[in-house]
Amino acid sequence: DSGVTQTPKHLITATGQRVTLRCSPRSGDLSVYWYQQSLDQGLQFLIQYYNGEERAKGNILERFSAQQFPDLHSELNLSSLELGDSALYFCASSVPRDSYEQYFGPGTRLTVT
Amino acid sequence: DQQVKQNSPSLSVQEGRISILNCDYTNSMFDYFLWYKKYPAEGPTFLISISSIKDKNEDGRFTVFLNKSAKHLSLHIVPSQPGDSAVYFCAASGFGSSNTGKLIFGQGTTLQVKP
Repeated sequence: DSGVTQTPKHLITATGQRVTLRCSPRSGDLSVYWYQQSLDQGLQFLIQYYNGEERAKGNILERFSAQQFPDLHSELNLSSLELGDSALYFCASSVPRDSYEQYFGPGTRLTVT
Repeated sequence: DQQVKQNSPSLSVQEGRISILNCDYTNSMFDYFLWYKKYPAEGPTFLISISSIKDKNEDGRFTVFLNKSAKHLSLHIVPSQPGDSAVYFCAASGFGSSNTGKLIFGQGTTLQVKP
């Protein structure tokens, strides 16, 4: 158990819909990272938040957004969903500058039908 | 542009033998490299890491070697055990001036250790 929790574990929705994925980092970790793993690709970095502020952006679509709340949990919002958005979405947390290691949650499997 | 590459999608070894997983990178600004192990239906689990100022790091059965001139790293598992069967991801990071620790992952190598 990494200490990072993600909900829900599975999500099935239709094209055009909007969903919210939730992540709670390890206790004390200030940074949250979101990654997407599609069927034919490795893990792709989407976005990072550090202590409530956006720190870095990767290949994140404009239809996707995220935020980190004062209690440090984070939400990833995916809207106008397309079939190609079906993937595993992982959240990871770390304490930057103390360690490069990131600790991953179990992931949310999103299926868009 | 794939900055971290794992060219072998799969590897099969006998229990007790050595497993060698390889990884190449292109960006010389990376200053830290990590290996993660992933079982089905679970998130990646941190395994071992190495700073770019070192060429070897060892932790029990796991050793990571870094060859900066070749931009190549490898993970050695000795002896291999059936429980090591999983997907192994190589990842690279570099804080640099952007102050971010985002990880760039390879495509993964599926290791199968046969009893």
